[in-house]
Amino acid sequence: NAGVTQTPKFQVLKTGQSMTLQCAQDMNHNSMYWYRQDPGMGLRLIYYSASEGTTDKGEVPNGYNVSRLNKREFSLRLESAAPSQTSVYFCASSEVRVSNQPQHFGDGTRLSIL
Amino acid sequence: KNQVEQSPQSLIILEGKNCTLQCNYTVSPFSNLRWYKQDTGRGPVSLTIMTFSENTKSNGRYTATLDADTKQSSLHITASQLSDSASYICVVCGTAGGSYIPTFGRGTSLIVHP
Repeated sequence: NAGVTQTPKFQVLKTGQSMTLQCAQDMNHNSMYWYRQDPGMGLRLIYYSASEGTTDKGEVPNGYNVSRLNKREFSLRLESAAPSQTSVYFCASSEVRVSNQPQHFGDGTRLSIL
Repeated sequence: KNQVEQSPQSLIILEGKNCTLQCNYTVSPFSNLRWYKQDTGRGPVSLTIMTFSENTKSNGRYTATLDADTKQSSLHITASQLSDSASYICVVCGTAGGSYIPTFGRGTSLIVHP
């Protein structure tokens, strides 16, 4: 039971470089989410996809783009990385967007931007 | 602005002892309140989810309470074990006009010593 899988686990970038964080879930969930977690702060929602084919902005979307490739996969792209985007990024999924079912999280991608 | 405040920020207890973590929120309108456990280097894992009508919910040695009138929740851990050492995150979910942005607390860091 893999659950939510994120790749890569660690990445170091230089300012201005681009990269895509990958996320896949095997629970047949409809909704997927991208969060960032910074020291001393709660997780903040970047983007979410309520269902295949739809994406919406969360609390902190600036500097990011997302793609819901299919029902299983939801990627996060940094087009021109900035030091302020150094963070731990978590992907999550749930059966539906607004429900009393839990979100299932991956183990995160630790991203450092120099 | 929606806010979730957790206390204490950190807590150290001896193995076998009980402890209680607090969560106060100002999220409105309220949908549900969740407690997650996050081990170091891992993603959060759901412990409990409570709706407006529920005032207590248990998951093994974890018992969450909710007072929707005072907008307070607590997580009680009974007979603590070394494996309980983790960050405990309170998340309050609101619904408004179709948007869905859960508000995360900063977490309480619990260390259980032998």
